[in-house]
Amino acid sequence: DTEVTQTPKHLVMGMTNKKSLKCEQHMGHRAMYWYKQKAKKPPELMFVYSYEKLSINESVPSRFSPECPNSSLLNLHLHALQPEDSALYLCASSPGGHDNQPQHFGDGTRLSIL
Amino acid sequence: GESVGLHLPTLSVQEGDNSIINCAYSNSASDYFIWYKQESGKGPQFIIDIRSNMDKRQGQRVTVLLNKTVKHLSLQIAATQPGDSAVYFCAENIDSWGKLQFGAGTQVVVTP
Repeated sequence: DTEVTQTPKHLVMGMTNKKSLKCEQHMGHRAMYWYKQKAKKPPELMFVYSYEKLSINESVPSRFSPECPNSSLLNLHLHALQPEDSALYLCASSPGGHDNQPQHFGDGTRLSIL
Repeated sequence: GESVGLHLPTLSVQEGDNSIINCAYSNSASDYFIWYKQESGKGPQFIIDIRSNMDKRQGQRVTVLLNKTVKHLSLQIAATQPGDSAVYFCAENIDSWGKLQFGAGTQVVVTP
C-alpha cells in the first residue's frame, strides 16, 4: 500500500461540473506534486508545492486549481474540464528542501470527462 | 528506445533471466536519477536512485548504472520474476525544486 492516499480512485464528470481531487500524506513531507498521466505515457508535472506555497505551475490551464490547506493535504479543484483532460492524475510527495530525495506517488485518480 | 504513438518499447524476458532496461537522459547538469516501476492501475513505485557522484548502486535484486559521459542510465533486474512485469520509468531531477523529467518508459513482460 502506498503512503500517499488519493481520493476518489475513479471520477466521471461532465464538462460543466465542479469536483475536487484529494491527496494526503503523513510522512512529514514538505513538498507535494500533481502530475497528469495519459495512457502509455510518462507522468507530466503540473504543480509543485513547497512548504505549502506554490513553487511551480507548468503553464496549466486555469480550469485546474491547486490548493494546499496544510502540509499533509493537497487538493486539485476541477471546473469546466474538456474531454482531453481525461487522464490519471497522480499526487506525489517528497521530504522537500534541496537535498535530492525520491518522490513517493499515490495510486492516482482515474478521471473521465464526458 | 523512444515510444511512437501509443506503443511503449517492450522488453520480453524469460522468468529467471536477468533484465536490462536502458534510458538516455537529456540534461548533463542533472545530479540525481530515479527508477520507478508502474504496475497496471497503480502509481509509480520507487525502486532505486543514484546520485551523479556515483556510477553504480545496488539494491535487492536491482542494480542501477550511471554513465555520465554518454548520459546513459540502466536498470538491471536479477532473476526476473512474474511480479516484475510492469512499465519502468527512469527520471532525472532537473532543478532544485525537485522537478523530475521522466523517460518514455519500457514495458517489461516476463514469460514463464
